[in-house]
Amino acid sequence: DAGITQSPRYKITETGRQVTLMCHQTWSHSYMFWYRQDLGHGLRLIYYSAAADITDKGEVPDGYVVSRSKTENFPLTLESATRSQTSVYFCASSDRVGGSPLHFGNGTRLTVT
Amino acid sequence: KNEVEQSPQNLTAQEGEFITINCSYSVGISALHWLQQHPGGGIVSLFMLSSGKKKHGRLIATINIQEKHSSLHITASHPRDSAVYICAVSGSGAGSYQLTFGKGTKLSVIP
Repeated sequence: DAGITQSPRYKITETGRQVTLMCHQTWSHSYMFWYRQDLGHGLRLIYYSAAADITDKGEVPDGYVVSRSKTENFPLTLESATRSQTSVYFCASSDRVGGSPLHFGNGTRLTVT
Repeated sequence: KNEVEQSPQNLTAQEGEFITINCSYSVGISALHWLQQHPGGGIVSLFMLSSGKKKHGRLIATINIQEKHSSLHITASHPRDSAVYICAVSGSGAGSYQLTFGKGTKLSVIP
């Protein structure tokens, strides 16, 4: 099916563990984004990618790593999870920055215990 | 950095009422987005606009670039419109990748 898919939908992990959240889009959009959504903060950009092998930091990148070896995939890795990284994570894609709509995945709810 | 303010934060309406949600921002933008998020659900893009007005069904979005203000209107509101509505702005030039989001307006429409 066309669209943007995140996995898993829900994840519980322990402090210090490495966790990878997956994001896959079928539109061949150039731009992909990772956001976290927390009460009181709204959505905040973690990392973005303008194309395969091009990534850059957003507003809150500390503790996260991304890669984009293929246009359609943009995984987000928490190298050593902390409780402050408990959040809902959204992946999004767009074919042009600023001038075209964002398409969001359904989100991953991550709990770090 | 752009500051995006939405009002009201919470809104309760009776079914059938006309609803307005407001969004103001502090710095010039290339585009403004209205997003909808249902409880426990994903985020859907409703509108993207850089000038004037757009309409889709019962939803209308307007933007006043000079005033740095946008409104989202819902006519003949229905309980299925209950959701969080989020305003976001795209910076201009080199910063256009960076969306700045408002904190959302939670709308509850009562039958």
